[in-house]
Amino acid sequence: GAGVSQSPSNKVTEKGKDVELRCDPISGHTALYWYRQRLGQGLEFLIYFQGNSAPDKSGLPSDRFSAERTGESVSTLTIQRTQQEDSAVYLCASRRSRMGADTQYFGPGTRLTVL
Amino acid sequence: GENVEQHPSTLSVQEGDSAVIKCTYSDSASNYFPWYKQELGKRPQLIIDIRSNVGEKKDQRIAVTLNKTAKHFSLHITETQPEDSAVYFCAALPGGDYKLSFGAGTTVTVRA
Repeated sequence: GAGVSQSPSNKVTEKGKDVELRCDPISGHTALYWYRQRLGQGLEFLIYFQGNSAPDKSGLPSDRFSAERTGESVSTLTIQRTQQEDSAVYLCASRRSRMGADTQYFGPGTRLTVL
Repeated sequence: GENVEQHPSTLSVQEGDSAVIKCTYSDSASNYFPWYKQELGKRPQLIIDIRSNVGEKKDQRIAVTLNKTAKHFSLHITETQPEDSAVYFCAALPGGDYKLSFGAGTTVTVRA
């Protein structure tokens, strides 16, 4: 079946502009996660959704970052007034349920470059 | 919360040799331990996982061992091949929790 998809695959923007990154999780997966991965670095947790609610936003680096999820499906990560340090790959992942040994599947990521 | 440490950060092996990556975790309630492989420019993909009721699991050339008493688990790759070159991440999930805690990653290079 279809895996996790993300769009766009690449985004180049100018400093100060807003960007929206989209994630389509696997159908029926209730848990959805966003991560940031800087070049050559590890997986930095940003936010977790259970259904359409986000009980854990602890990883969002500043109030310029926000996310929403609708229909227990698509999620959008929005970065306002982008800065050069926001340049990274943004990865989305989903799991069938929030607990237990369900496999977490990653999307291909969106590579964001802020000039 | 859970804290996962991963060693080494880089590993270079001759083709055909074995590679071993070790991770330690802090939360004794962790009961699920997946390993992900991330090739350059690609998404992380699950290669093997182990649950706390099992001490070892094998899948062809890869195996994972778990020592619950010492709170560490390891990935073993035998007969390494060039396509094994990638970044490998370990992770742990405490029972009742919703968020995987990832190690910092190990860059494995297989020399031909």
